[in-house]
Amino acid sequence: EAGVAQSPRYKIIEKRQSVAFWCNPISGHATLYWYQQILGQGPKLLIQFQNNGVVDDSQLPKDRFSAERLKGVDSTLKIQPAKLEDSAVYLCASSSPGTSASNEKLFFGSGTQLSVL
Amino acid sequence: AQSVTQLDSHVSVSEGTPVLLRCNYSSSYSPSLFWYVQHPNKGLQLLLKYTSAATLVKGINGFEAEFKKSETSFHLTKPSAHMSDAAEYFCVVATYGGYNKLIFGAGTRLAVHP
Repeated sequence: EAGVAQSPRYKIIEKRQSVAFWCNPISGHATLYWYQQILGQGPKLLIQFQNNGVVDDSQLPKDRFSAERLKGVDSTLKIQPAKLEDSAVYLCASSSPGTSASNEKLFFGSGTQLSVL
Repeated sequence: AQSVTQLDSHVSVSEGTPVLLRCNYSSSYSPSLFWYVQHPNKGLQLLLKYTSAATLVKGINGFEAEFKKSETSFHLTKPSAHMSDAAEYFCVVATYGGYNKLIFGAGTRLAVHP
């Protein structure tokens, strides 16, 4: 089966510019996640969608980050304006929701590496 | 609140020797635990998961992990390292309260030397 697709693979921008990342999850997966992975750290959940609704965005810096999943399929994450500390890999993942956490299996894309200069 | 602590940021072994990557967890109830692996320029991949059916969990590529409630640990092991095992490994705890939420540890970078 096709995996989680993300684009672009790399992005370099100046601080205060805006940037957008795109994710297409595995077909049929209702849950979509955006993670931020700063160099040397584990991935941190930014936002989680169930179909086209948000179930968790508690760690999303809402003054500059936004995400949408309008038709419950692909998703876009935007940063406006970007700061130096936003330099990271942005990972998208999808899953079919299980009945418990032990049933959950996430499939990750290769990520978008963002450098803010 | 649930959390995981990976005790080593870097581990270096020789090819053919055992691998031990340590993880301690904190959870107010019986946790769901996972190990994920991240090879350079590749996406994260599930290695194994603890489902409470058995304390010793076997995963892909010869890895296994043992859940020890008394020690709140979920260490990852492999009897004999291979060069292809060099990667970043993440211990993950999951919560379920209407939806699943995965919390990642900081990661352990495994280097394998010939």
